[in-house]
Amino acid sequence: GQSLEQPSEVTAVEGAIVQINCTYQTSGFYGLSWYQQHDGGAPTFLSYNALDGLEETGRFSSFLSRSDSYGYLLLQELQMKDSASYFCAVRASRGSQGNLIFGKGTKLSVKP
Amino acid sequence: DVKVTQSSRYLVKRTGEKVFLECVQDMDHENMFWYRQDPGLGLRLIYFSYDVKMKEKGDIPEGYSVSREKKERFSLILESASTNQTSMYLCASSLQLANYGYTFGSGTRLTVV
Repeated sequence: GQSLEQPSEVTAVEGAIVQINCTYQTSGFYGLSWYQQHDGGAPTFLSYNALDGLEETGRFSSFLSRSDSYGYLLLQELQMKDSASYFCAVRASRGSQGNLIFGKGTKLSVKP
Repeated sequence: DVKVTQSSRYLVKRTGEKVFLECVQDMDHENMFWYRQDPGLGLRLIYFSYDVKMKEKGDIPEGYSVSREKKERFSLILESASTNQTSMYLCASSLQLANYGYTFGSGTRLTVV
């Protein structure tokens, strides 16, 4: 089967750094994405990694190691508005029709 | 601002009813998707479409069908609604590029009584 594992909950304080890990086991691999979803809202796209290494976008960074089937989302200088659920997702098939497989999400709570 | 619009935010339907959930995108995206989201289960793919009149089953297609007669519109149909189909339904669209993210609609919270 295909699966993505990520922690169900993480708690951190404002101003801190938090890392949300994602390990995957899929039949193929063509990229790892991260999405953010606030309570009652729609998931929004944060980042995409196809190659090993770190991608930085402002306070958020995403890392991928294909040999370890592992990635993480790093959130720096945490703000209260970062409280949300974060989903990793893998594109498991090649080509334009490939769809994403989502993890079950990590609920991040940022405390004052 | 690019958008995926779902016709209803909340719906309450009776068991056995035929239910239509509509989704429209204005970004000229080729791919469109229907997911359901349940607590502790994450997002599960019901159906997707990569072109007009094309459809592919996702992980949980049983009890659902879809229609894509125009590029911008993707409809999810519950043939005979059941209480276990009570859920949040999310529509998404994307370009046919691997590094392009999905744009999601705001969701339809369906309750079947």
